[in-house]
Amino acid sequence: RKEVEQDPGPFNVPEGATVAFNCTYSNSASQSFFWYRQDCRKEPKLLMSVYSSGNEDGRFTAQLNRASQYISLLIRDSKLSDSATYLCAVTRFNAGNMLTFGGGTRLMVKP
Amino acid sequence: NAGVTQTPKFQVLKTGQSMTLQCAQDMNHEYMSWYRQDPGMGLRLIHYSVGAGITDQGEVPNGYNVSRSTTEDFPLRLLSAAPSQTSVYFCASSPGSVVGETQYFGPGTRLLVL
Repeated sequence: RKEVEQDPGPFNVPEGATVAFNCTYSNSASQSFFWYRQDCRKEPKLLMSVYSSGNEDGRFTAQLNRASQYISLLIRDSKLSDSATYLCAVTRFNAGNMLTFGGGTRLMVKP
Repeated sequence: NAGVTQTPKFQVLKTGQSMTLQCAQDMNHEYMSWYRQDPGMGLRLIHYSVGAGITDQGEVPNGYNVSRSTTEDFPLRLLSAAPSQTSVYFCASSPGSVVGETQYFGPGTRLLVL
């Protein structure tokens, strides 16, 4: 079993739709959680950190469920510019804050 | 600040050749790391460093060497390139040991091994 797993998609949604991604992790000792966005052939860029109480940044909401060991990302009012691959990442417990990534979920927002 | 820079952007190697991928950051970050990303996959940690003179192995270290003689630079050496090392390589840095700090990635080096 992979340490961090995501549905690869693609998720094809119309503009204005709400879309949600989940990510599961297997190491219960994971400490920090993040969502990254990666555009085609570019480096990953931090979208948002994920906090235990849940957090929101504009149209984006992230949630953490430690009991079930998953994190989620909700995107409201999807824009064409949201088309990208979304990577979840967790810190590796014994590797100095280094990250373990899921395989990514591809989102395509259509007009 | 330039952030995290990587050179070269692209490289083609023949099997058995060696080369060094360069990574530098100007943010005075203590932590630096190398990841590789294969098609359709997330990033996998190769090696990392928590400060000058300190390095450790990640998830996929075989075939790669690193050293960290300065805070700014963290080169990745391929000792004898193999086709399985065809990948996109990302270098990253982060400020330090505070839990929850994220990492900042360089633009990547695309490597093709024939």
